[in-house]
Amino acid sequence: AQSVTQLDSQVPVFEEAPVELRCNYSSSVSVYLFWYVQYPNQGLQLLLKYLSGSTLVKGINGFEAEFNKSQTSFHLRKPSVHISDTAEYFCAVRGGTSYGKLTFGQGTILTVHP
Amino acid sequence: DTEVTQTPKHLVMGMTNKKSLKCEQHMGHRAMYWYKQKAKKPPELMFVYSYEKLSINESVPSRFSPECPNSSLLNLHLHALQPEDSALYLCASSQGESNQPQHFGDGTRLSIL
Repeated sequence: AQSVTQLDSQVPVFEEAPVELRCNYSSSVSVYLFWYVQYPNQGLQLLLKYLSGSTLVKGINGFEAEFNKSQTSFHLRKPSVHISDTAEYFCAVRGGTSYGKLTFGQGTILTVHP
Repeated sequence: DTEVTQTPKHLVMGMTNKKSLKCEQHMGHRAMYWYKQKAKKPPELMFVYSYEKLSINESVPSRFSPECPNSSLLNLHLHALQPEDSALYLCASSQGESNQPQHFGDGTRLSIL
């Protein structure tokens, strides 16, 4: 079984400040890790993914994440946020079997203040 | 713009009505998914279709009936729903392999009166 824990349910931050959204996972098999963003009244948009290789993954909109196997973490970072980054962010893990279930964390609401 | 198209965007129905949600993708993906998302919660997997065959049913009540007419289309037939079924219903698709990301549509906002 696999699970995902997003450590912060809400993260307020001022515009142009850096931000880190934390994600920890647990799994008994090799996993693939994803971050999705959901803007109000929309579906989920893929920000970035870790499949293998370099542990630092760059995504869209200036976001990046670092896979840390020893700490079973996959934290999302952005050096300077914009008002438009206000949204809910979901960390997700998918297992090693084909068509494996995508397991989501509970989500982190990022609010960027002017 | 999303590459997974869901219709309708909004749906209001009574508990005795029958309606269908539709999902379409033209990315050549062979796996398609239905999720249910309640407010302030993550999506919950309902069904997975792989090569047009149902591969996962997450113990969903029979008042939800999925259908995959072809590799590009996925339907969710609704009948005798309950008020607690009001939610955002999301469709997703992927290449199928476990390391491939799922691409989501914008969802159908369903309200049961």
